Amino acid sequence: SQKIEQNSEALNIQEGKTATLTCNYTNYSPAYLQWYRQDPGRGPVFLLLIRENEKEKRKERLKVTFDTTLKQSLFHITASQPADSATYLCALDVNTGFQKLVFGTGTRLLVSP
Amino acid sequence: EAGVTQFPSHSVIEKGQTVTLRCDPISGHDNLYWYRRVMGKEIKFLLHFVKESKQDESGMPNNRFLAERTGGTYSTLKVQPAELEDSGVYFCASSQQDNEKLFFGSGTQLSVL
Repeated sequence: SQKIEQNSEALNIQEGKTATLTCNYTNYSPAYLQWYRQDPGRGPVFLLLIRENEKEKRKERLKVTFDTTLKQSLFHITASQPADSATYLCALDVNTGFQKLVFGTGTRLLVSP
Repeated sequence: EAGVTQFPSHSVIEKGQTVTLRCDPISGHDNLYWYRRVMGKEIKFLLHFVKESKQDESGMPNNRFLAERTGGTYSTLKVQPAELEDSGVYFCASSQQDNEKLFFGSGTQLSVL
């Protein structure tokens, strides 16, 4: 069956460290993968998109990798700050040409001062 | 620039009643999506409009749900009659044509008692 897995347990790290979040998927062949941030009571906010032919994408302190062989994406936040504390969602497109996204359940990140 | 606006932010109704959720997308965004998150589960696609036309409503749970986007501007999602399992957060998102980046509203928290 099709599945997207993100670590359901919260990730606790110290300020200044690098946070690494994992997204694994099975039985999908996405053209791209997106990462969103969600704060309590708010909707998801787009962070990064990486395409199937890209290995890595960076934006400021964020870095995303995409390994279509392993069917895995890693999301890194370097020099983490308490303000980075949120739930991070990965989402795959299902190749319809529109944003019919399939989301993971998200991983909560807690950055302590 | 105004973001995606959803109304109401919260709605508490009794089983069997009708509720209508509204979404105002970002001006100029032809693509409008409805997604839903039920307790403990991932965000799931409901349907997609391009302007006033439904492109994909494969995620709609059943015929108690009716979405409209008259005139290709704002959209409504009506649930009639509501059931307990309809409780959750309903998100609306919009995007520009040929752009994968989705902008989400803050959602409507629906509680059916």
